[in-house]
Amino acid sequence: SQQGEEDPQALSIQEGENATMNCSYKTSINNLQWYRQNSGRGLVHLILIRSNEREKHSGRLRVTLDTSKKSSSLLITASRAADTASYFCATDSDKIIFGKGTRLHILP
Amino acid sequence: GAVVSQHPSWVICKSGTSVKIECRSLDFQATTMFWYRQFPKQSLMLMATSNEGSKATYEQGVEKDKFLINHASLTLSTLTVTSAHPEDSSFYICSAVLEGGLTGELFFGEGSRLTVL
Repeated sequence: SQQGEEDPQALSIQEGENATMNCSYKTSINNLQWYRQNSGRGLVHLILIRSNEREKHSGRLRVTLDTSKKSSSLLITASRAADTASYFCATDSDKIIFGKGTRLHILP
Repeated sequence: GAVVSQHPSWVICKSGTSVKIECRSLDFQATTMFWYRQFPKQSLMLMATSNEGSKATYEQGVEKDKFLINHASLTLSTLTVTSAHPEDSSFYICSAVLEGGLTGELFFGEGSRLTVL
């Protein structure tokens, strides 16, 4: 069964704007990861945040984790056309389970 | 970074035939690999966990006689779709865990698109 659930399911924004995606999950976790998938391709690992961390940065990416609400957010700042992709959160409980993903489309 | 190679990237076959998909870790050893299936605009559904030298662990609802998994070495896992039917058409993706790497980080192959006619 799906563990994580992202929202929105789809998001279109203008290039240069910030994009925020959210992920909610159901059970306790050791860590939460965000992945990116270009259409028809494999997944690329973006960032991992541990259950005892609240925020993490990597370049233009900022991830937050609220274990009390069982939710995480991924913020992409200053979006670019190349950021167009699907973004998935994945939680690890005893095996890595992916959410449904957010399809992000950056408009030129 | 660690590289996982998946082959073939796409395959078209006739109904009733069997198709083998390979997943290789190119520059690291992977005791554990995962096989996922993805339908268009859907998430990845975990099919099975492949363990080197032992039987794969299948998720509920996945037919182990239909989807044969073999993990004979630390760098290779194979998924064979037996007696394929049109409903098996999907995007199959493998991933591997880097031993000693960042806990829980997965490295993915590029996926294999199967079309069964």
